[in-house]
Amino acid sequence: DTAVSQTPKYLVTQMGNDKSIKCEQNLGHDTMYWYKQDSKKFLKIMFSYNNKELIINETVPNRFSPKSPDKAHLNLHINSLELGDSAVYFCASRRQGSPSGNTIYFGEGSWLTVV
Amino acid sequence: SQQGEEDPQALSIQEGENATMNCSYKTSINNLQWYRQNSGRGLVHLILIRSNEREKHSGRLRVTLDTSKKSSSLLITASRAADTASYFCATDDTGTASKLTFGTGTRLQVTL
Repeated sequence: DTAVSQTPKYLVTQMGNDKSIKCEQNLGHDTMYWYKQDSKKFLKIMFSYNNKELIINETVPNRFSPKSPDKAHLNLHINSLELGDSAVYFCASRRQGSPSGNTIYFGEGSWLTVV
Repeated sequence: SQQGEEDPQALSIQEGENATMNCSYKTSINNLQWYRQNSGRGLVHLILIRSNEREKHSGRLRVTLDTSKKSSSLLITASRAADTASYFCATDDTGTASKLTFGTGTRLQVTL
């Protein structure tokens, strides 16, 4: 009954490869996110989608391409992987609409190691 | 850029003691949220405090918010070894398109 699930949890791949991380939420939320956590534990937003529409793209290299086939899914595809892409990638979601904001729910993370 | 700065970066206490973590931020916010991250795991939401609230409690957690100083604190009372984790504050900023901006985190170690 995981609310936000992402796969794979661990991914080790060679430089130059293309890989995807999938995310699904069963909370009925209309907004989904990808965050990146580096080795120093800094969490930084990458993308945000609302009702399948991209609303935030935080100067992420265009090798990263999010795709939202529907409101419940937000996948992250990475082309030509580089060593610096090694990080933990977190998917998250929340319901918009409350003026004072709502809780964001996170997945368990996908540990990407590029060798 | 990182919005919040957390203080201290690391904190080591004994079980039963209280742990206090502070967070400062820079812009106007709708709310501020605290999350916990156990080693190798995802982020778990702990508590949300809205910009018009000054204090909030949830179990052993007490959060304060001072919007005039742009700061918040998280107090964990009667800490347990299971509280060992990293704690992050995150601000839900006004005027931005629906995102949380995270602080740098405090690593809490609770020893027996």
